[in-house]
Amino acid sequence: NAGVMQNPRHLVRRRGQEARLRCSPMKGHSHVYWYRQLPEEGLKFMVYLQKENIIDESGMPKERFSAEFPKEGPSILRIQQVVRGDSAAYFCASSPRTGGDQPQHFGDGTRLSIL
Amino acid sequence: GIQVEQSPPDLILQEGANSTLRCNFSDSVNNLQWFHQNPWGQLINLFYIPSGTKQNGRLSATTVATERYSLLYISSSQTTDSGVYFCAAGDYKLSFGAGTTVTVRA
Repeated sequence: NAGVMQNPRHLVRRRGQEARLRCSPMKGHSHVYWYRQLPEEGLKFMVYLQKENIIDESGMPKERFSAEFPKEGPSILRIQQVVRGDSAAYFCASSPRTGGDQPQHFGDGTRLSIL
Repeated sequence: GIQVEQSPPDLILQEGANSTLRCNFSDSVNNLQWFHQNPWGQLINLFYIPSGTKQNGRLSATTVATERYSLLYISSSQTTDSGVYFCAAGDYKLSFGAGTTVTVRA
């Protein structure tokens, strides 16, 4: 997991606040994926991004969640007006190119707790 | 999307024992990966194995793509092998199974 860097490792927010989760992909990787691990629900795909483009956001909740991967800097998963149900582990993965014929490399995750 | 089923859901082993974990998936895939989630929550990538057989130390994996299943073998288990093992399959969008929780007792 050394290559994909996620921060913070732990994030505590009160209901109604905003949460920003950051992901720096492995060097040379331009494709980023976000997954969420909810208690009792397992790991689910959220969104797939390339630099400056959202390719597939079919797993993102319709409201309050957004993701970006700018030309410079890390990918950001943003959750506005957090609620208790957003408490989960959020994992980022990266790959060097598009397509599924290569492994995704995962970060250590961000554990989000909502008070 | 791809449906992924893992069995067994729980596995208790005595240190030194061997075991086999199974992953069935519902459609042809370009990507199949096995992960170990350790007690600290980290997802450790074990294998990228959409087909064929690979080995890494005491772990090995085999995927029979035509029959849509993959097997993870743990030999001479150690207490550090405890945790949850996930299979994930798909293309760029990975679908995860519910996991097999492995407990290795000293």
